[in-house]
Order: sequence, then C-alpha cells, then structure tokens
Amino acid sequence: DSGVTQTPKHLITATGQRVTLRCSPRSGDLSVYWYQQSLDQGLQFLIQYYNGEERAKGNILERFSAQQFPDLHSELNLSSLELGDSALYFCASSPPGQGRNEQFFGPGTRLTVL
Amino acid sequence: GENVEQHPSTLSVQEGDSAVIKCTYSDSASNYFPWYKQELGKRPQLIIDIRSNVGEKKDQRIAVTLNKTAKHFSLHITETQPEDSAVYFCAASRGAAGNKLTFGGGTRVLVKP
Repeated sequence: DSGVTQTPKHLITATGQRVTLRCSPRSGDLSVYWYQQSLDQGLQFLIQYYNGEERAKGNILERFSAQQFPDLHSELNLSSLELGDSALYFCASSPPGQGRNEQFFGPGTRLTVL
Repeated sequence: GENVEQHPSTLSVQEGDSAVIKCTYSDSASNYFPWYKQELGKRPQLIIDIRSNVGEKKDQRIAVTLNKTAKHFSLHITETQPEDSAVYFCAASRGAAGNKLTFGGGTRVLVKP
C-alpha cells in the first residue's frame, strides 16, 4: 500500500457523460500527478499540482480538467466522454523537498465508457 | 519533449536466470530515472531509482546502471523468481526542474518455473 488513495475503483458510464475521479495523496506530500494508462498509449502524464497550484501540463485534453483543494486532495474531471477515454487513471504523489523525486502511485480508477 | 524507449517489449526467462531491460532517453536535462513494476490490474510500484550523479545502484537482486553520455539506463534482475513476473516500466524526469515522469513502453517479463 503506497498511502495514496483513489476513488472510485471502477466507473462505467456512457459516451457524452461527465465523471469525477478523486485522489488523496500520502500524508505530507504536496504534489499530485495524474496519469492515464491505456493499452495503446501506455502511461501518459496528464497534469501536476503542487500545494493547490497547477505546476505542469502534459497531454491532457481540453475536455479534462483537474484541481487540488486546500486539504491537498485532487479531483480529475472528465467530460463529454468518448469511447477512447476508457483507461486506467492513476494519481501519484511525491514528497516535498529538494531532490525528493519519488512518485508513489495510487491503486487507480478503471474507467469504462460504453 | 522527452522520449523514452524501452526494450525488449517482452522477455521470457527461466527461473534463476538474469533479466535485463534497457531504456534510452532523449532529453539531456533528465536527471532522475525510476523503475516501476506493475502486476496485472495493480498500481505501478517503485522498485528502484537512480539519479544522474550515480552510475550504478543495487538493492538485493535488482540493480540499475546509468550511462549519461549514451543516454541509456538498464535494469538488471538476478536469480529471477516466478514472483518477478510482471510488466516493468522505466521512466525519466528532470527532477526538481519538472517532476513529470515520461515512461517507456513497458517490458512484460515472464519467469518460467
């Protein structure tokens, strides 16, 4: 157990719908990262937050958005869902401090879009 | 941006033999290189990492080597056991300058008893 929690574990929804995935980082970690894992694209970085502020953006679609709240949990919002959005969505957290690069992954949310 | 290539995509070894997975990266500013192990349907689990000021690091049966000049790094697993069967991912990041991980495509390792 990495200490990173994600809910829900599984999500099944229809095309065009909107869903919210939730992540709580390890105690003391300020950074949260979101990654998407699909069969054909591998593990892809979506977005990073640090202490409530957006720090970096990757291949995140405009239909997707995220935020990090004052209690440091983060939510990833996916809207106008398409079949191709079906994937495992992981969040990871890393500790603060210079040179602390390790990222610890949560158990993931499996999203199925029908 | 960074590009990480990983080989081989699949690797089958006999129990007790060694396994080697190789990765190359493109961004010379990358300075942190972790390896993750992912079992089916589970989260990626950090198993070892190396920073660019170090050439080699060992942890029991696993070791990682880094060649900054050639921009490649490798994972070595010795005395493989059936529980080592999983998908292994290498990754690279710039560390403090930008922590996002760029992953290789993964290597599916099968250890045959």
